[in-house]
Amino acid sequence: DQQVKQNSPSLSVQEGRISILNCDYTNSMFDYFLWYKKYPAEGPTFLISISSIKDKNEDGRFTVFLNKSAKHLSLHIVPSQPGDSAVYFCAASGSGTASKLTFGTGTRLQVTL
Amino acid sequence: DTGVSQNPRHKITKRGQNVTFRCDPISEHNRLYWYRQTLGQGPEFLTYFQNEAQLEKSRLLSDRFSAERPKGSFSTLEIQRTEQGDSAMYLCASSLSGGANNYGYTFGSGTRLTVV
Repeated sequence: DQQVKQNSPSLSVQEGRISILNCDYTNSMFDYFLWYKKYPAEGPTFLISISSIKDKNEDGRFTVFLNKSAKHLSLHIVPSQPGDSAVYFCAASGSGTASKLTFGTGTRLQVTL
Repeated sequence: DTGVSQNPRHKITKRGQNVTFRCDPISEHNRLYWYRQTLGQGPEFLTYFQNEAQLEKSRLLSDRFSAERPKGSFSTLEIQRTEQGDSAMYLCASSLSGGANNYGYTFGSGTRLTVV
């Protein structure tokens, strides 16, 4: 029962262009959505989050968009930089769950020169 | 503040042996979480503590798994009678209650367990 899905296992983008990572979810009880970045041999690092009462949250080069009706969110990285090359995980939590996260399977982003 | 520390970084054990991992969270964080990640998958929730109380365990956590957080500081995760299917990265994370949704957890670098 994969409640959070990242259907693109990998994405390659040129430096300076926009990277768009997508995530779909099935559980309508989720009310917070988070993106994490993971480098090899390190734990995931928190990037940005969004509450279900919002449809957009921006932090520097990173913007997360939430479409509740479609149960879809996306992470935009503009402009993409080589240091952004990593695996990106989408995660979700529901109210009353003490922030227990349900993760997607990840998308490997490669930013090329 | 040195972040979340996990030891050991790597553990190779023979099937049937017991193993124990340690996690030292960020000192002021009252919540501590354990997750497990296998190849090609995202982290899966195992259990969490608020202070010293273990408040939730996933049904993924068989009876062979036990976790403790004495005195609400560091935590240990023990796996008894290890099986090859236990091979995974075990991740620990900590947060302040009420802050994790907006600011995320802080994860450690994990302990990679290989059962041979």
